[in-house]
Amino acid sequence: EIVLTQSPATLSVSAGESLTLSCRASQSVGRALHWLQQKPGQAPRLLIYGASTRATGIPARFSASGSGTEFTLNISSLQSEDFAVYYCQQDNDWPLSAYSFGQGTKVESK
Amino acid sequence: QVQLQESGPGLVKPSETLSLTCTVSGGSISNYYWSWIRQRPGKGLEWVGYLYYSGNTNYNPSLKSRVTISADTSKNQFSLKLTSVTAADTAVYYCARPPDLWGRGTLVTVSS
Repeated sequence: EIVLTQSPATLSVSAGESLTLSCRASQSVGRALHWLQQKPGQAPRLLIYGASTRATGIPARFSASGSGTEFTLNISSLQSEDFAVYYCQQDNDWPLSAYSFGQGTKVESK
Repeated sequence: QVQLQESGPGLVKPSETLSLTCTVSGGSISNYYWSWIRQRPGKGLEWVGYLYYSGNTNYNPSLKSRVTISADTSKNQFSLKLTSVTAADTAVYYCARPPDLWGRGTLVTVSS
């Protein structure tokens, strides 16, 4: 089972700031790594797929990079609607192997 | 546009069976893998299991002995059954086709 470890657990920031979230895999997942955003009471929403491609309708302030075991999600000029929990998810070798989620990073208002 | 909608009881008694159905609209369940994912209160996302529309399944090892996921292609639905539930199974259950397609989720509370 591939374990995804996200850091930090919580980020306290102000609107307008830029931030970087990290996701580390216990073994290589290639580029089969996606980033999801979840707001309270809502289902997760896909932000980034394939490690670096923005999903449809996702603003350009969201960017991501990485491959193998190290991945980052960058949010530039944080907007009020960006306060949420961010999860990474991998599906390397899926469906032969199950996919997994990181434990999440909460981005909260300072 | 494909949409997913979970349905089923919101309250289940301990030791009983949790049963949920996901209705897929705007597209066919054929030729895809479909998943159930749950989120306990205040916690992260936990994969429950998935199936291919033809019936092949794969379950989270921690739940495998209690989980069954099945499909009804005639109704364009797939279902989750989780037996012998306890309070630890209280969660929002999502049907999904990760990473991009998710239902809105349904809260299932296990309580007498």
